[in-house]
Amino acid sequence: GMPVEQNPPALSLYEGADSGLRCNFSTTMKSVQWFQQNHRGRLITLFYLAQGTKENGRLKSTFNSKERYSTLHIKDAQLEDSGTYFCAASSNTDKVVFGTGTRLQVSP
Amino acid sequence: GPKVLQIPSHQIIDMGQMVTLNCDPVSNHLYFYWYKQILGQQMEFLVNFYNGKVMEKSKLFKDQFSVERPDGSYFTLKIQPTALEDSAVYFCASSLLGYEQYFGPGTRLTVL
Repeated sequence: GMPVEQNPPALSLYEGADSGLRCNFSTTMKSVQWFQQNHRGRLITLFYLAQGTKENGRLKSTFNSKERYSTLHIKDAQLEDSGTYFCAASSNTDKVVFGTGTRLQVSP
Repeated sequence: GPKVLQIPSHQIIDMGQMVTLNCDPVSNHLYFYWYKQILGQQMEFLVNFYNGKVMEKSKLFKDQFSVERPDGSYFTLKIQPTALEDSAVYFCASSLLGYEQYFGPGTRLTVL
């Protein structure tokens, strides 16, 4: 199967809602990065994690290498959160594999 | 934060011609990467480069592709000759120790 499985593929939220994205890995990864890609294609790095949990404002991410998953939680969604979110996991060989992306649309 | 630059932002080229995409990585970084993203699809790893050598490459890194970083300047991706399926946005990334990667804004390549 795919080395990185990302869900959901698409997500619609109203402003103020909370939701989460998840990436499952078929093998042990040593780190993960989460990105938001805006409508112009620009990649914005949200988090880099080698383990544990990080928070930044309304965003929180967790990476569990042993259980082979990572999550990104968005709290109090805002219109500017719309975009496509990717996880990217780095294997022990330093090869980086991206997830298939989650297209997020936040509506008023 | 640290910035990776890519030149040009757009490139239009006729099929069969050569193209060089330039990446200006973060100044003290040691690891360099190229990724390809076809419109509306996920990012795909092409190659990583360290200490003057290709460390790993994917199946997408065809024989027509080459990378180099002459004299510690730009990290370049050369495609010769180009094909229609090479049309995509190419992202460069750099990393200090091979962990967290910093991405450039991408070069949109259109092959006609």
